[in-house]
Order: sequence, then C-alpha cells, then structure tokens
Amino acid sequence: DTGVSQNPRHKITKRGQNVTFRCDPISEHNRLYWYRQTLGQGPEFLTYFQNEAQLEKSRLLSDRFSAERPKGSFSTLEIQRTEQGDSAMYLCASMWLEGTREAFFGQGTRLTVV
Amino acid sequence: EDQVTQSPEALRLQEGESSSLNCSYTVSGLRGLFWYRQDPGKGPEFLFTLYSAGEEKEKERLKATLTKKESFLHITAPKPEDSATYLCAVRGGGADGLTFGKGTHLIIQP
Repeated sequence: DTGVSQNPRHKITKRGQNVTFRCDPISEHNRLYWYRQTLGQGPEFLTYFQNEAQLEKSRLLSDRFSAERPKGSFSTLEIQRTEQGDSAMYLCASMWLEGTREAFFGQGTRLTVV
Repeated sequence: EDQVTQSPEALRLQEGESSSLNCSYTVSGLRGLFWYRQDPGKGPEFLFTLYSAGEEKEKERLKATLTKKESFLHITAPKPEDSATYLCAVRGGGADGLTFGKGTHLIIQP
C-alpha cells in the first residue's frame, strides 16, 4: 500500500458545473476525513466517516457539498453548482481508529473554478 | 471552539542556524497535538503526535515539545531541504476532525 490516493490531482471547471473527487484511503484504515485548504491557510475540516457511516456533516460548507463512502472503502466528495469561491485544495486523510490515531493525508485535488 | 495560533508566520534562517516554531492552542479536552510538514502543492506529511504536557518527540533535526498551552517545534542545524510550511493541529473533545493553525513558512538558505 502506498498511502492515501486522491484523484484527480487537478480539476478546472466552469462555474455552475458539478465536480466529484475520489479518495482511496490506506487499506486497513477505518476512518476517512475530508478537508479544504485555501491559499495561506491551514486545512479546514469538512466531514468524516467511520467505515461507511458519516459521523459529522455540520462542517460541510453548504448544502452544495456532499460526501459518500458507500462500502467503507473509497470515498467521494461532490460539489454541485460550483462557485469561484470553491477554488481550493481538497484533501483527504485516513486513520486507523484502534491504532496510534495519526491521520495520513493524500496529495489533494486542486480545484479551479473559472 | 478549538483554536490554534502559530508564530511566526514566516521564518528565514541560514543553514545550520537553529530556531523554534511556536504553536499556541485552546481546546476543550486535548486528544492530541499534531505537527505536519507541507511542501508546495502537496498534502501534509505527518511528523509527530503529542498527548500530554511534558511529552517530547524527536526525529532527525526536529524535536517537538508540549505544555498545557503551547507546543514548540525545535529545529537544530537545519538544512535547505527542511524548507517547508510546518502545520500544527489539535484534536479536541468535540468533532473528530483536526483544527489546524495557518502554519509557519520556513526557508533555510544555503
């Protein structure tokens, strides 16, 4: 296993379009997190899953944002009707709850809304 | 609400010039303080976790320490390859996600 994998690495979309990002966590990790990072800021927590259950949704930025982890493995983050303010790096992290509780991040998906 | 403040925002050092980065935090029920390194355009890379005041961890030229209100990341005799943004984060008693500071942008000049 080579770590957390995110696809695509870069996405350019027109305002108003929908986009979906994928995250494949480290295989034995049961917790998966999504963060957003804008220029000059630290990552901002959005939501997380334990296996297939989404345990926190309130930090999602608006109802245009949704996330799934249908089989407790990979996860997707969807943004509907994108706006220019959605331009950011979207990061995924995973963790083994019963272990040292260290979260490991992927390389992120850079979204640019034009 | 958990809060993390990092200082300085940016730091430029000569190669071999030791220094410290500060992370001040307020959190209800600390369940871990984390240090990450982030290179431009990449995701954060895990460095250390600290759980209780007095705890220290070391890795190569880096040493992290923790008190009840702040953490320090000490860098000894840094090299140019240590140049990066260093992020501090806490996991508090509420939601399981990490609360990050804005980071310290560290530049080591040869």
